Amino acid sequence: EAAVTQSPRNKVTVTGGNVTLSCRQTNSHNYMYWYRQDTGHGLRLIHYSYGAGNLQIGDVPDGYKATRTTQEDFFLLLELASPSQTSLYFCASTQGTEVFFGKGTRLTVV
Amino acid sequence: GDSVTQTEGQVTVSESKSLIINCTYSATSIAYPNLFWYVRYPGEGLQLLLKVITAGQKGSSRGFEATYNKETTSFHLQKASVQESDSAVYYCALTNTGANTGKLTFGHGTILRVHP
Repeated sequence: EAAVTQSPRNKVTVTGGNVTLSCRQTNSHNYMYWYRQDTGHGLRLIHYSYGAGNLQIGDVPDGYKATRTTQEDFFLLLELASPSQTSLYFCASTQGTEVFFGKGTRLTVV
Repeated sequence: GDSVTQTEGQVTVSESKSLIINCTYSATSIAYPNLFWYVRYPGEGLQLLLKVITAGQKGSSRGFEATYNKETTSFHLQKASVQESDSAVYYCALTNTGANTGKLTFGHGTILRVHP
């Protein structure tokens, strides 16, 4: 069974704070993605990667950086968190037509 | 760009009744995208419910079905008899063909509440 693990599952930070969301997949997939999910918007793509060291910009990248350190690990970085980044974040991986999602990280910026 | 529209934000249905969740799409990047329904149960990540990659075909899973209609650009989700355990958030999505199939365009999601 394909697995995508996100950590932490919940995070509260202050405005201006520095946050790193982690994602690890054990599927040997090349493609990994970070989405955010907000009420009334569905899921929106922030960044994605084709493989270790690769980074591609998604549809809503402003305020986010990402880094793919290995094939397994994909990190989302918020260096100056703002309340508008309060959201539910999902990581995903794929190597074909099926995409596997993690359980999500709920981030609250106060 | 591509877009997916789900007209219902929330649907409430009595157990054993039928269900339809509407989904229409607009794909400018490709004529016939791959179409998906994902489901998110409370506390869980998104799971693939069903997919159809050929226009005119029907996909089915766990009693749900959806038909890829290229004439009306629709992919409505239906179930003849819902159960309380079907309560979840349902997302319609599309993607281009090719290798980068995780670059999904999602609808806003429909919250399904099934009451006994």
